[in-house]
Amino acid sequence: ETGVTQSPTHLIKTRGQQVTLRCSSQSGHNTVSWYQQALGQGPQFIFQYYREEENGRGNFPPRFSGLQFPNYSSELNVNALELDDSALYLCASSSRINYGYTFGSGTRLTVV
Amino acid sequence: DQQVKQNSPSLSVQEGRISILNCDYTNSMFDYFLWYKKYPAEGPTFLISISSIKDKNEDGRFTVFLNKSAKHLSLHIVPSQPGDSAVYFCAAYSGGGADGLTFGKGTHLIIQP
Repeated sequence: ETGVTQSPTHLIKTRGQQVTLRCSSQSGHNTVSWYQQALGQGPQFIFQYYREEENGRGNFPPRFSGLQFPNYSSELNVNALELDDSALYLCASSSRINYGYTFGSGTRLTVV
Repeated sequence: DQQVKQNSPSLSVQEGRISILNCDYTNSMFDYFLWYKKYPAEGPTFLISISSIKDKNEDGRFTVFLNKSAKHLSLHIVPSQPGDSAVYFCAAYSGGGADGLTFGKGTHLIIQP
């Protein structure tokens, strides 16, 4: 059983650019969610997808958007990058909406 | 407004002793609580969870206690081992979980030999 994999592991972008982060769900999981973890903070919920539909969203602006594909893999897109977007981005998958989540190792995004 | 609070940024415990990590919450709608462990350069790993209808859940060396009236939960690790040194996050969700997990800021547990 493969776990949750995220790519890339590290990324450096310039302010104003756009970025796409990718996540492959654990086998058998149909729900995926994304979190932003700033330094010294706990992960913060960005949004969640269930069967290719967004079904929950945290307090993040519309320039944070996502997709879930038929194979349940997912993308997080961030437009018009700001310096404060520098963080660890975590993807988590689960087999039901209200079940325990399995996290990937994250993508470390640095905006300069 | 932080809905899940872990007031101890760090905790140092001797190997073999009990580690107690605490977590407080303010949202009475939370009905499921989880503890995650995180090593540097890795994602959080699920440890143990508890439903709001219970007050205790045990799994090997890990026990979670929930006091709903005080809106407080704690994670006990007995006995503490060197491999337990990590950052521990308390998390919670409500309803079907469509609002995602709400995490605390974490407690860095250091097990000393």
